[in-house]
Amino acid sequence: GQSLEQPSEVTAVEGAIVQINCTYQTSGFYGLSWYQQHDGGAPTFLSYNALDGLEETGRFSSFLSRSDSYGYLLLQELQMKDSASYFCAPNSGGYQKVTFGTGTKLQVIP
Amino acid sequence: EAQVTQNPRYLITVTGKKLTVTCSQNMNHEYMSWYRQDPGLGLRQIYYSMNVEVTDKGDVPEGYKVSRKEKRNFPLILESPSPNQTSLYFCASSSRAYKQGEQYFGPGTRLTVT
Repeated sequence: GQSLEQPSEVTAVEGAIVQINCTYQTSGFYGLSWYQQHDGGAPTFLSYNALDGLEETGRFSSFLSRSDSYGYLLLQELQMKDSASYFCAPNSGGYQKVTFGTGTKLQVIP
Repeated sequence: EAQVTQNPRYLITVTGKKLTVTCSQNMNHEYMSWYRQDPGLGLRQIYYSMNVEVTDKGDVPEGYKVSRKEKRNFPLILESPSPNQTSLYFCASSSRAYKQGEQYFGPGTRLTVT
């Protein structure tokens, strides 16, 4: 079967670093995506890892370990505008078979 | 401007009255999907399409229909809506030219069925 685990809520201080973990189990695996969604808005794509290791995009980095079925999103130099929900989404088959979980709600406090 | 558009953005309807939510993208994307988002359940895929006339069921297809007659459009049809289909709906599209997990989402349609 398929399962996806992320913490439901995380609180961090402005300027700090936060890591959002994700463990997954899917039938077939091509890679792991991360999306950001602000309240009332649409999800927006952040990053995609197809291979093990770290991908860096500005203040955001994403890591994948395929052998551990584990990934994380690292947000550095947190800003208030980073307060949002973050979804890890394993791709289990082609461009459109992407499974989203319930996401992690990040609150950045002053 | 590259975008995915959905109409209507908000809809209140009654049980059993057929409705269609339209989705259109202007990026010539091959792939399109419909998702619903419910509190505590996250985003769940309803249907997806790999190209014109090619569609497949996602995780929660019951009560929904789709069609892909043109590359840019992917309407979601609720033949006989029920209150459990009250939800926030998102259309998304992606392309072979992008990373596999990269999808572009429309602004969402908030549907209430009474």
